[in-house]
Amino acid sequence: DIQMTQSPSSLSASVGDRVTITCRASQGIGNSLAWFQQKPGKAPKSLIYATSNLQSGVPSKFSGSGSGTDFILTIRSLQPEDFATYYCQQYDSYPITFGQGTRLEIK
Amino acid sequence: QVQLVQSGAEVKKPGASVKVSCKASGYIFTNSGISWLRQAPGQGLEWMGWISSYNGNTDYEHKFQGRVTMTTDTSTSTAYMELRSLRSDDTAVYYCTRLNHYYDSSGYHEYFQQWGQGTLVTVSS
Repeated sequence: DIQMTQSPSSLSASVGDRVTITCRASQGIGNSLAWFQQKPGKAPKSLIYATSNLQSGVPSKFSGSGSGTDFILTIRSLQPEDFATYYCQQYDSYPITFGQGTRLEIK
Repeated sequence: QVQLVQSGAEVKKPGASVKVSCKASGYIFTNSGISWLRQAPGQGLEWMGWISSYNGNTDYEHKFQGRVTMTTDTSTSTAYMELRSLRSDDTAVYYCTRLNHYYDSSGYHEYFQQWGQGTLVTVSS
């Protein structure tokens, strides 16, 4: 199975900041990498697929980059609604696996 | 718009079975696969498996093989996930997701697009 490792596990930031979350795969996954946002008590929301493609309706403040084993989610100009937990996911091969999550908290 | 509406919360005893439904609307059901996942309290996301809404083919995560069955009913655009021999550590919120797809230089890929609202399954004696 492909292991996905996110860092950091938690992150404190202020409104208006720019933050980055990294995700590393235990083996190459091409660009088959997705990012999700989850708020407490809610279903996850799909943000990005194929490393850098925004899902419909997702604002351009979210961006993704990377390839192979190393990937980055960048969120610029943080707003209160962006504070949530973020997960990366590889879908290059079954079983689909997720990172452990990064909790983004307001400073 | 695309919607996935899941069945309501369940409370089951250890050893019992649960069947969660996921009713799709807003797209052609047989054009997209469905994946099921779960999230234990305070934990991350765990993929359980996939079913083709077109032909019913399935692929289950190894740890669930023998205990899970995923099916679809194309007449009602509904997907089902049945989990048997429930244990306390099966207590979780269960999600269905609709898959979309694309092609690139490395072939065909399916990715998660929309999510159901989740179904809490509590296993307790």
